Amino acid sequence: GENVEQHPSTLSVQEGDSAVIKCTYSDSASNYFPWYKQELGKRPQLIIDIRSNVGEKKDQRIAVTLNKTAKHFSLHITETQPEDSAVYFCAALHHSGGYQKVTFGTGTKLQVIP
Amino acid sequence: GAVVSQHPSRVICKSGTSVKIECRSLDFQATTMFWYRQFPKKSLMLMATSNEGSKATYEQGVEKDKFLINHASLTLSTLTVTSAHPEDSSFYICSARDGKREVTQYFGPGTRLTVL
Repeated sequence: GENVEQHPSTLSVQEGDSAVIKCTYSDSASNYFPWYKQELGKRPQLIIDIRSNVGEKKDQRIAVTLNKTAKHFSLHITETQPEDSAVYFCAALHHSGGYQKVTFGTGTKLQVIP
Repeated sequence: GAVVSQHPSRVICKSGTSVKIECRSLDFQATTMFWYRQFPKKSLMLMATSNEGSKATYEQGVEKDKFLINHASLTLSTLTVTSAHPEDSSFYICSARDGKREVTQYFGPGTRLTVL
């Protein structure tokens, strides 16, 4: 099955700096990679996603890059703000037993220091 | 668009009782819904995939007789925790996918279950 690893587990940055979170996956057939932001006690919110036929996608201060050959993808947040503080999860969509499933990474707790 | 609701948001029950959690897609039809369990400061663990009109597909290690899933309509899936025990205390989150061709999952707000 798919295995998604995420690093780092915790990340502290000063307000205005950039934050990078990296994930690797094992199933080369995985073709969709969403990123979710989860604030304490709340639901995960989709913030950006990328499909396997695209190498990079950007949405304002957030960007995601995908390297299919190396099987890794990264989330980049520029000009970080205190409200970016949350836990971020990467995920990979793959097929298992005839179904599509999403496997999540272990999460990165991002703290933006004012 | 793509709003998923979950009810109740919190439930406290006695050991041995059963608890039902509802997950609804409010503005779209969800042919597939997913049930996750999340422990404090941990990632989301997929418990089962619920397909409308068919039996749920459970992940390895998840007891199907303990966690009963019903997906009776395109907008509603329910998870029943039967004979709950303290170790079942957790945060349960559902998600829904809009149609067979859409890959994005939208999450419900979660249910905090505490079993005394």
